[in-house]
Amino acid sequence: QQQVKQSPQSLIVQKGGISIINCAYENTAFDYFPWYQQFPGKGPALLIAIRPDVSEKKEGRFTISFNKSAKQFSLHIMDSQPGDSATYFCAASKGTGANNLFFGTGTRLTVIP
Amino acid sequence: NAGVTQTPKFQVLKTGQSMTLQCAQDMNHNSMYWYRQDPGMGLRLIYYSASEGTTDKGEVPNGYNVSRLNKREFSLRLESAAPSQTSVYFCASRTGVGNTIYFGEGSWLTVV
Repeated sequence: QQQVKQSPQSLIVQKGGISIINCAYENTAFDYFPWYQQFPGKGPALLIAIRPDVSEKKEGRFTISFNKSAKQFSLHIMDSQPGDSATYFCAASKGTGANNLFFGTGTRLTVIP
Repeated sequence: NAGVTQTPKFQVLKTGQSMTLQCAQDMNHNSMYWYRQDPGMGLRLIYYSASEGTTDKGEVPNGYNVSRLNKREFSLRLESAAPSQTSVYFCASRTGVGNTIYFGEGSWLTVV
C-alpha cells in the first residue's frame, strides 16, 4: 500500500513555465514532508522540506504548498529551466526516525528549451 | 568530502550467486540505510541501522542481510540472488539530528 501517492508520473514543461507536482497522503501522523531531486545516474538529494505548521515554504524558484486539511502537498518550480530536468520524489515521515520515511513513486520532469 | 560512497557501481550476477554491496560514509553519521529503487515504485527501505551495532528490517528485507561493520560502514548482502532483486540500490546516512538523508550514487545490480 502506497503511503504517499504522487502525480503525475511524467511532466513536460516549456522553459520559463511553472512545473507542478502533487502528492497526497493518508496518515495524519506524518509531520515532515521533504522533496528530493534525482538526476540520471545519481542518488536523490534533498531539495526542500516542510512541516505541517506552515502552509508554504519557498526557496528560490522552488515552493512547497501544504494543505493539511486535504492531506496534500505540492512542489512548484517557477521559471523552469532545462537544468531542472530530473526525477522528483515527495516523501513523508512521522517523528524523527528516517526509518519511517515513505517515498512517492517519482515524477520525471523534462523542461524543453 | 566524499559523503556516501558505494561499491560496486555496476554488477551482473547469475541467479543463485551471492554478493555484497559496500557502503561507507565520512560524515560521522549515526544512522545508515539501504534502499532499492524500481521503476514506478519509488524508493523502498530494505534495512537500516540506527546506530553502530544495531540493524533493523525495513519495508522489503526478504532475501537480504546487512552488517554494520563500524560507524562508517554498512554492507548489504544478497545470499542467493534472484531476478526479482534486479534493481538500483542506494545507501544513505543521516545525522542524529533532523531528517535529512544523504544518498550515495547508487549500485546498479542485474540478476540474470
